[in-house]
Amino acid sequence: AQSVTQLDSHVSVSEGTPVLLRCNYSSSYSPSLFWYVQHPNKGLQLLLKYTSAATLVKGINGFEAEFKKSETSFHLTKPSAHMSDAAEYFCVVSYYTGTASKLTFGTGTRLQVTL
Amino acid sequence: DVKVTQSSRYLVKRTGEKVFLECVQDMDHENMFWYRQDPGLGLRLIYFSYDVKMKEKGDIPEGYSVSREKKERFSLILESASTNQTSMYLCASIRGGGLAGYNEQFFGPGTRLTVL
Repeated sequence: AQSVTQLDSHVSVSEGTPVLLRCNYSSSYSPSLFWYVQHPNKGLQLLLKYTSAATLVKGINGFEAEFKKSETSFHLTKPSAHMSDAAEYFCVVSYYTGTASKLTFGTGTRLQVTL
Repeated sequence: DVKVTQSSRYLVKRTGEKVFLECVQDMDHENMFWYRQDPGLGLRLIYFSYDVKMKEKGDIPEGYSVSREKKERFSLILESASTNQTSMYLCASIRGGGLAGYNEQFFGPGTRLTVL
């Protein structure tokens, strides 16, 4: 079975400081991993995805994530937080059932950015 | 741009009512999904459909059914709404095929359903 664990339900950073949102996954085979972001009262938007090419993945708005198979991790980082980054972030693993690809979501990390 | 639309942003229903949530996508995607989102639980898959008239149960199908009569439309049905079905419901679609696991799912804006 595939699953993801987001290690922090809430992260608070100051504007201009680095962001680290942690995610560990469990998968019986090579996974496809995603980070989605949900801003207040808005739909989910794809930040980035890992699909077995480069292990360091760059996404939108300066975010990136590194796939580490030995640690079964896919942590999301950004060098310098901006107020507009305040949102909820979901780590997601995809797997193919034989009929369709399904996503399993983590429980989310709410990022707060303070002045 | 892919567009996934949902029939209502907010809906208030009474216990025991039959509720229909509609989702339409305009990108000819094969696969469509219904999730519910609850605080602290993330998104949980209710049902999905990989083709017209084809459906599979997700992780929490109890109390729900679905219908997909046309490729672009996927409906979620609450046969007899209960208060524990108060939630945010999200529809999504994705291009199918063998490499679908690499593709992005596109989400609708959500329907916040309150059952009184």
